[in-house]
Amino acid sequence: NAGVTQTPKFQVLKTGQSMTLQCAQDMNHNSMYWYRQDPGMGLRLIYYSASEGTTDKGEVPNGYNVSRLNKREFSLRLESAAPSQTSVYFCASSEAWGSYEQYFGPGTRLTVT
Amino acid sequence: GNSVTQMEGPVTLSEEAFLTINCTYTATGYPSLFWYVQYPGEGLQLLLKATKADDKGSNKGFEATYRKETTSFHLEKGSVQVSDSAVYFCALCPYGGSQGNLIFGKGTKLSVKP
Repeated sequence: NAGVTQTPKFQVLKTGQSMTLQCAQDMNHNSMYWYRQDPGMGLRLIYYSASEGTTDKGEVPNGYNVSRLNKREFSLRLESAAPSQTSVYFCASSEAWGSYEQYFGPGTRLTVT
Repeated sequence: GNSVTQMEGPVTLSEEAFLTINCTYTATGYPSLFWYVQYPGEGLQLLLKATKADDKGSNKGFEATYRKETTSFHLEKGSVQVSDSAVYFCALCPYGGSQGNLIFGKGTKLSVKP
């Protein structure tokens, strides 16, 4: 099993450009999450999907959209990138809503200039 | 509200030294508590957990005890190795769950020198 995979690993964008971060899990998990990690800030939840067909905002959703494409895949879209969105983005999944253990992908390092 | 506070790093130790990373929390009800570890270039992995007061979580030589009276969940290891160099995150899951379930501390970077 690959676990949670993310693409791309690195990306550089100019202000105003758009892009989609891809995430897939092969553990048949129901719930998926997107976090951003900034120095000195820990991890902050952007959006989550408790189950296929549902998505909800987390702590810092502004400037992002998500799509739960199917049970395996959960994408994060930046419509008009801003320098404040420079961060490392992590996707995670868990067996069910309320499951304590989340499994994380390796992350995408995004720089917006 | 719910929050987690952990000691600021970085923490630098020599191999075989004793490790303590402090973590305190604020939560309503009875949360579950976790330590996650992030090795360089990787995502986070669950290290250990405790779901009720006085529980001790342990894994890979690391331990943490859920102390309700002091609202703490300090991480300890008796003898660290170079391979323990990583960033450690304390986290809580509020009782009954909430948006995304997990609330993370800011992380503590540990460097172990040979």
